Amino acid sequence: AQTVTQSQPEMSVQEAETVTLSCTYDTSESDYYLFWYKQPPSRQMILVIRQEAYKQQNATENRFSVNFQKAAKSFSLKISDSQLGDAAMYFCAYRSTGANSKLTFGKGITLSVRP
Amino acid sequence: SQTIHQWPATLVQPVGSPLSLECTVEGTSNPNLYWYRQAAGRGLQLLFYSVGIGQISSEVPQNLSASRPQDRQFILSSKKLLLSDSGFYLCAWAGLRLGSYEQYFGPGTRLTVT
Repeated sequence: AQTVTQSQPEMSVQEAETVTLSCTYDTSESDYYLFWYKQPPSRQMILVIRQEAYKQQNATENRFSVNFQKAAKSFSLKISDSQLGDAAMYFCAYRSTGANSKLTFGKGITLSVRP
Repeated sequence: SQTIHQWPATLVQPVGSPLSLECTVEGTSNPNLYWYRQAAGRGLQLLFYSVGIGQISSEVPQNLSASRPQDRQFILSSKKLLLSDSGFYLCAWAGLRLGSYEQYFGPGTRLTVT
């Protein structure tokens, strides 16, 4: 079974600075998907970014980018030019490629942004 | 575009009372549907998922049940609530999009059992 580990329960960043959130996973599969979700105080889960394992190029979405290291099974999220609205809980998630596969979530990390 | 709705947004129920939470999806057909529960400050626990009408898979044995009476409707129920059922309940849908069945979540229901 796959596991997703987010070892840092909390992080803090100064507004306008850059922060990196770590995530590691364990799998024996060669093809899969990885995601980062954001959960703001409203608690609705928002998909931030996704990465296909077969793609070597790191995914980017505006100020959000990932550092995907397949051999190391590492999938970190970098937030550039941090904004107050980035304060939230962030979850890393893994999904196999099958149509009916389920998401495996990490325990999440709480990010606070200092003004 | 696709949207997902959940209601009610907030619910306070006494122990032993029944429960019915509803989730509906618009703008897509034959989605995979999921129910998650999240305790305060904790991660997500998958409760049920469905790949089609009447097809329900349970992940955690408990006093909750789920049903999918229509293609885009997913209902979470209980006959008698327990204190431990308190939490934040999230519904999600997934469909083939850009080659991936990524999940999109509803706004959630905050349930307090008193």
